[in-house]
Amino acid sequence: KNEVEQSPQNLTAQEGEFITINCSYSVGISALHWLQQHPGGGIVSLFMLSSGKKKHGRLIATINIQEKHSSLHITASHPRDSAVYICAVGGGADGLTFGKGTHLIIQP
Amino acid sequence: DTEVTQTPKHLVMGMTNKKSLKCEQHMGHRAMYWYKQKAKKPPELMFVYSYEKLSINESVPSRFSPECPNSSLLNLHLHALQPEDSALYLCASSQGAGGGGELFFGEGSRLTVL
Repeated sequence: KNEVEQSPQNLTAQEGEFITINCSYSVGISALHWLQQHPGGGIVSLFMLSSGKKKHGRLIATINIQEKHSSLHITASHPRDSAVYICAVGGGADGLTFGKGTHLIIQP
Repeated sequence: DTEVTQTPKHLVMGMTNKKSLKCEQHMGHRAMYWYKQKAKKPPELMFVYSYEKLSINESVPSRFSPECPNSSLLNLHLHALQPEDSALYLCASSQGAGGGGELFFGEGSRLTVL
């Protein structure tokens, strides 16, 4: 079974700071997902990656398949970015294996 | 339409009640999932339906009974639940059963068992 480790578990930063959240996994995968969950809310898919890099607005996700590692970056962070960010691997008929999440707080 | 719709959003039930959670998507996705999420924990996979057939049951107690009446609908029937079953129940779908694809989640049904 794949082991998914995220770091940091908790992160508090000031508005405008550049944020990096890391994810590593133990077994080779076909896809890695970055998900966002606001308190009490449902989950939103931010990215699905199988290689390289993707960018959407202020969010950038990268993956290194050889090193089994992915990062999620947030540029010019804003208080509305405060949420739990979850890395998950796998998918399809096997479902996902989730990391424990990174609790991000952006202070004004 | 890129939504996964879950109803009800909130449900309170007693241990002897029978209730159902519903999930609907109209994106033509052929894989649908039920996840259970306790507070401050990541979601835990319960069931996977692939092409309307149950492909994974992660040792879920029989008091939870999934049903996939057609490719757009997924139900979770609840019976004789325990207070520890109180959680957020999330439905998700993806395009392909084998290759996965981007996941779309519903907002969840928050269940409280008294």
